[in-house]
Amino acid sequence: GENVEQHPSTLSVQEGDSAVIKCTYSDSASNYFPWYKQELGKGPQLIIDIRSNVGEKKDQRIAVTLNKTAKHFSLHITETQPEDSAVYFCAASIWNAGNMLTFGGGTRLMVKP
Amino acid sequence: AAGVIQSPRHLIKEKRETATLKCYPIPRHDTVYWYQQGPGQDPQFLISFYEKMQSDKGSIPDRFSAQQFSDYHSELNMSSLELGDSALYFCASSLPGVATEAFFGQGTRLTVV
Repeated sequence: GENVEQHPSTLSVQEGDSAVIKCTYSDSASNYFPWYKQELGKGPQLIIDIRSNVGEKKDQRIAVTLNKTAKHFSLHITETQPEDSAVYFCAASIWNAGNMLTFGGGTRLMVKP
Repeated sequence: AAGVIQSPRHLIKEKRETATLKCYPIPRHDTVYWYQQGPGQDPQFLISFYEKMQSDKGSIPDRFSAQQFSDYHSELNMSSLELGDSALYFCASSLPGVATEAFFGQGTRLTVV
């Protein structure tokens, strides 16, 4: 089955700096790569996603890049703010009858004011 | 906008008891997924349903069962509960199709004592 590795497990940045989280996946058939933000006691919230036919996608301060050849994808957050502090999960999906997600181990991002 | 509704939000059960978790997907979403998240862990896929039929099965114990009803809500039934079943249980829903976004509910925190 699919295996997703995520690094780093914790990341501390100063407010206003950029944060980068990287993930690798094992199954070249994966075609959908979402990123979720999870705050304490809440469900994962989809923040951005990318499909395998696209190399990069940006939404305001958040961007995601995908390298299908190397089987890795990254989340970039610019101009970080304290409210960005949360656990971030990458995931990969292979569509068949449904898009079951395989998650990475998560990155705890701490943005210091 | 309507979100995925899960009930109850918190549940405390004793070992060997049974529990039923409910999930109400976003309107028009006909695909439902169940995930289990242990403390400090990433969500692990349990099972999914598409149009009331089981579509994928992950690491769901034989003690657990689930179904999707005609109104698309889903229930996860857990029997012979063990201490290790204590976790957050998330339901997510999506529209049908390739690489569609999955939206998560707020989760049910199950504590087995």
